[in-house]
Amino acid sequence: GEDVEQSLFLSVREGDSSVINCTYTDSSSTYLYWYKQEPGAGLQLLTYIFSNMDMKQDQRLTVLLNKKDKHLSLRIADTQTGDSAIYFCAEQLTGGGNKLTFGTGTQLKVEL
Amino acid sequence: EPEVTQTPSHQVTQMGQEVILRCVPISNHLYFYWYRQILGQKVEFLVSFYNNEISEKSEIFDDQFSVERPDGSNFTLKIRSTKLEDSAMYFCASRLEGNTEAFFGQGTRLTVV
Repeated sequence: GEDVEQSLFLSVREGDSSVINCTYTDSSSTYLYWYKQEPGAGLQLLTYIFSNMDMKQDQRLTVLLNKKDKHLSLRIADTQTGDSAIYFCAEQLTGGGNKLTFGTGTQLKVEL
Repeated sequence: EPEVTQTPSHQVTQMGQEVILRCVPISNHLYFYWYRQILGQKVEFLVSFYNNEISEKSEIFDDQFSVERPDGSNFTLKIRSTKLEDSAMYFCASRLEGNTEAFFGQGTRLTVV
């Protein structure tokens, strides 16, 4: 079955770059997503990448996809304190209801 | 910008009571979903709905759960007899077609006491 894994914690200094990693197991994924969740809040879609791409840049965010290794990463440039949150990667599979399978979430802490 | 809206934002209910969580998906979307997130855990898929029927459901979605699209705009999740372990944040999502991005609502926090 599908499984999506992330490291649990990441701590960076303000102004540095953050790189959050994700691995997945199902090669039939179509879209791969990054969501941000602040404490007590909902899921905010940050960015997504279609599975036939290997990179997508959106302002401070860069998504890299390595399909061979089934590895996805989110790089946040010039990390700010407002970026502190939990970041979830999720894969969307083909077929059925095109459901999303979420990772365990990475808690990003930005220190001054 | 169109968005998925969920009501209420927070609901407290007694164990054994029925609850209905409501969602208004984005108007021209065709696929609808419910997910849940128990506090501190990952977001889990519950059910997907298309063309007025369930297209896929998870093991969590047992006989206590049901979904309905009672009119052209609402999409509801009913829990027939709530248990303490149903306490979670419930997210509704919708998408336009099968292979397009999913949009999530802000969630309903359900607390069963």
